[in-house]
Amino acid sequence: GAVVSQHPSWVICKSGTSVKIECRSLDFQATTMFWYRQFPKQSLMLMATSNEGSKATYEQGVEKDKFLINHASLTLSTLTVTSAHPEDSSFYICSAPRPGLQETQYFGPGTRLLVL
Amino acid sequence: AQSVTQPDIHITVSEGASLELRCNYSYGATPYLFWYVQSPGQGLQLLLKYFSGDTLVQGIKGFEAEFKRSQSSFNLRKPSVHWSDAAEYFCAVATSRGTYKYIFGTGTRLKVLA
Repeated sequence: GAVVSQHPSWVICKSGTSVKIECRSLDFQATTMFWYRQFPKQSLMLMATSNEGSKATYEQGVEKDKFLINHASLTLSTLTVTSAHPEDSSFYICSAPRPGLQETQYFGPGTRLLVL
Repeated sequence: AQSVTQPDIHITVSEGASLELRCNYSYGATPYLFWYVQSPGQGLQLLLKYFSGDTLVQGIKGFEAEFKRSQSSFNLRKPSVHWSDAAEYFCAVATSRGTYKYIFGTGTRLKVLA
């Protein structure tokens, strides 16, 4: 079964509004989670590393004020797309490494965001 | 800079035929390599991984991959494809040990003909 969940699975919002996406590890604790963005027919691009109890680390070119990440507990990370615009429409995927499994991550099912 | 290339965007095979999906990487040190499969509505599922040792790696669902350092390749193979294998396949490399940061290839979409 799924070990990493995301909510919602899809969301449509108006331009200028903010959208929050949740990522949960279901049966293990994750001090680190990752957020990826996937454009249609393209690869997954790492956006940021979410660290429990500390600030997220963003990849080059990712606006930290646009994509707010909060990792408030060992099983939950949230990504908030602030003041969303149509160009933010994409498929957002989170992942979490499972302790004890070397270099292996579990991925959530993704959240499709459409900004009108 | 590290990179992963999957030369084939789409591949179509008949059910029961053999399959090979290509993956080439660019990485200075010994890479940690992965193959994931993505089906609609589901998260990426790990098929197999290579860290060291035997260069032929066995995975789930009858898949295997061979690491060839001389060719900087990590191609995925399956002897006999099933209709349920139709999905998107991603090759990935971990940028460094312990960080879990991946670089993904652009993916190969597999279509299986009945």
